[in-house]
Amino acid sequence: DQQVKQNSPSLSVQEGRISILNCDYTNSMFDYFLWYKKYPAEGPTFLISISSIKDKNEDGRFTVFLNKSAKHLSLHIVPSQPGDSAVYFCAARPMDSNYQLIWGAGTKLIIKP
Amino acid sequence: EAQVTQNPRYLITVTGKKLTVTCSQNMNHEYMSWYRQDPGLGLRQIYYSMNVEVTDKGDVPEGYKVSRKEKRNFPLILESPSPNQTSLYFCASSPDRQSGSSYNSPLHFGNGTRLTVT
Repeated sequence: DQQVKQNSPSLSVQEGRISILNCDYTNSMFDYFLWYKKYPAEGPTFLISISSIKDKNEDGRFTVFLNKSAKHLSLHIVPSQPGDSAVYFCAARPMDSNYQLIWGAGTKLIIKP
Repeated sequence: EAQVTQNPRYLITVTGKKLTVTCSQNMNHEYMSWYRQDPGLGLRQIYYSMNVEVTDKGDVPEGYKVSRKEKRNFPLILESPSPNQTSLYFCASSPDRQSGSSYNSPLHFGNGTRLTVT
């Protein structure tokens, strides 16, 4: 049973518009959530994170929102650019583990010119 | 350049033939980890190491071995590979003993090793 779910395998967005990637989780005992971005033939790279005590974190064009009551987080990219085309992974760290992250299956974002 | 280097990038082998995938990092990181990525399943942790000579199982350790004799190297060993180990493998490291989930110490990944076992 996957504790972190990204239900959209892919998403297509027009360049310049907002991209919204979603992630749901089932375990209330996560204390950090992270987003990683992955290009083909490369490893994932860290994008942005949020602590469970916050509901928003912003870094340039990227904003992550956390809704604890709904067990849902989302990554907003505004405006979307062609270089944002990649696979985005959501990950969560359990409170009782300093050593493991639980990963979602990823969402492939395609930015159309 | 700070990086995590995995070799080989691609490997095709046959069932039962022992193989090693190497991983090396030049950032003096204490924490290192191996993941496999399979379609629809995301990244699953195989083994991790918090420091030299300290390793522990992740979520899917069966069929794999690791060693951490030096800080920079963390090889993944498949003693008797089977077709269900066909996957994309990633090595990662982090500056401290945590999993790379804090703001200040995210995981740094290698570029992956695509393994096919026939």
